Amino acid sequence: GAVVSQHPSRVICKSGTSVKIECRSLDFQATTMFWYRQFPKQSLMLMATSNEGSKATYEQGVEKDKFLINHASLTLSTLTVTSAHPEDSSFYICSARDESYEKAFFGQGTRLTVV
Amino acid sequence: GQQLNQSPQSMFIQEGEDVSMNCTSSSIFNTWLWYKQDPGEGPVLLIALYKAGELTSNGRLTAQFGITRKDSFLNISASIPSDVGIYFCAGQLRGSQGNLIFGKGTKLSVKP
Repeated sequence: GAVVSQHPSRVICKSGTSVKIECRSLDFQATTMFWYRQFPKQSLMLMATSNEGSKATYEQGVEKDKFLINHASLTLSTLTVTSAHPEDSSFYICSARDESYEKAFFGQGTRLTVV
Repeated sequence: GQQLNQSPQSMFIQEGEDVSMNCTSSSIFNTWLWYKQDPGEGPVLLIALYKAGELTSNGRLTAQFGITRKDSFLNISASIPSDVGIYFCAGQLRGSQGNLIFGKGTKLSVKP
């Protein structure tokens, strides 16, 4: 089946620094990728929709200047958490839509800890 | 915003028992997906449903796309300890871009 690779799986950073998370579709092209955030014991909340070659669409309440999304190719989207603060610590998950199968596949997730 | 109501929130069952969980909404969905998430991992797709009334199995798992297109259920038969985890339903709204709306999850615990 389709595979989505997300990297890194875990990252610890200092307050004020920026962290980049990559999401790659390994065996299919994804014109659309999605970024979710999951707090402990809660469900996944959509942060933004990443469209190849155009600007991302952010959900209400998500700061686009803080969570920079770039979707430069059909197989790669990146999420950069800028000037990270401890409250940004969370589990971030990407998904990519495989148009040929009409399914969404998820990356392994990135656990971000800001100290 | 759009919501999916997933129930139950948690289940504690004995190994060998059958499990049933469901998701409902007031909106119409084109696609229903069921995922399982292990601690510290991303969700893994179990079953995808595309047509109203569709019933699909994956091993001991069976899921159905409700006839009204507003609900779906997942059954697990003869549960085993490795079934432990959080199960999420997710739906793609009719006319949406492909993003998924998630239920809050059902946490399954299985006693050996």
